[in-house]
Amino acid sequence: DAGVTQSPTHLIKTRGQHVTLRCSPISGHKSVSWYQQVLGQGPQFIFQYYEKEERGRGNFPDRFSARQFPNYSSELNVNALLLGDSALYLCASRLDTYNEQFFGPGTRLTVL
Amino acid sequence: QKEVEQNSGPLSVPEGAIASLNCTYSDRVSQSFFWYRQYSGKSPELIMSIYSNGDKEDGRFTAQLNKASQYVSLLIRDSQPSDSATYLCAVISNFGNEKLTFGTGTRLTIIP
Repeated sequence: DAGVTQSPTHLIKTRGQHVTLRCSPISGHKSVSWYQQVLGQGPQFIFQYYEKEERGRGNFPDRFSARQFPNYSSELNVNALLLGDSALYLCASRLDTYNEQFFGPGTRLTVL
Repeated sequence: QKEVEQNSGPLSVPEGAIASLNCTYSDRVSQSFFWYRQYSGKSPELIMSIYSNGDKEDGRFTAQLNKASQYVSLLIRDSQPSDSATYLCAVISNFGNEKLTFGTGTRLTIIP
């Protein structure tokens, strides 16, 4: 079975630009969560979606938004990029009856 | 006080020895506990989950949970050079809340 997939793998943007990151969960998984990981730190929770509804939001500014589609794939959008948004963005999926979350390969975002 | 704390390391262990990784958490109602392995430049990989007090073994890995002491650990027996990675401890506070709260990780190096 295919794991969680994310696109693109790498992205370079300049300050003030907008970015959209995409994620497809493991087949059969209905829940998707997004995390941000900066170098030397553990991942930080951004959003959680289940059955297309937002179920949780971390301590991130309104520049960050997300949505989940009927096929359970998800997008993370970040507006007005700042240098500090440079990080590895991780998507995790979960089967609805278990708490174990499985991460995709991530998208490495660099903001110049 | 950080929600999830790990000894930051780096931790160096001879090949074939036991590596011991520790984690404490602050939220007493935490219910689910996970260990992820992260190789440099890669995304976190789930290696163990534990929900009840006591030990849980899977191959060379043993997770130990003590909810009274708010302590969870990971033992790696017969350490191999391929075990060299950063190990992340993660906690979910309540069932139904899927937010993973991570520690900063412990960098483990296995010395051949």
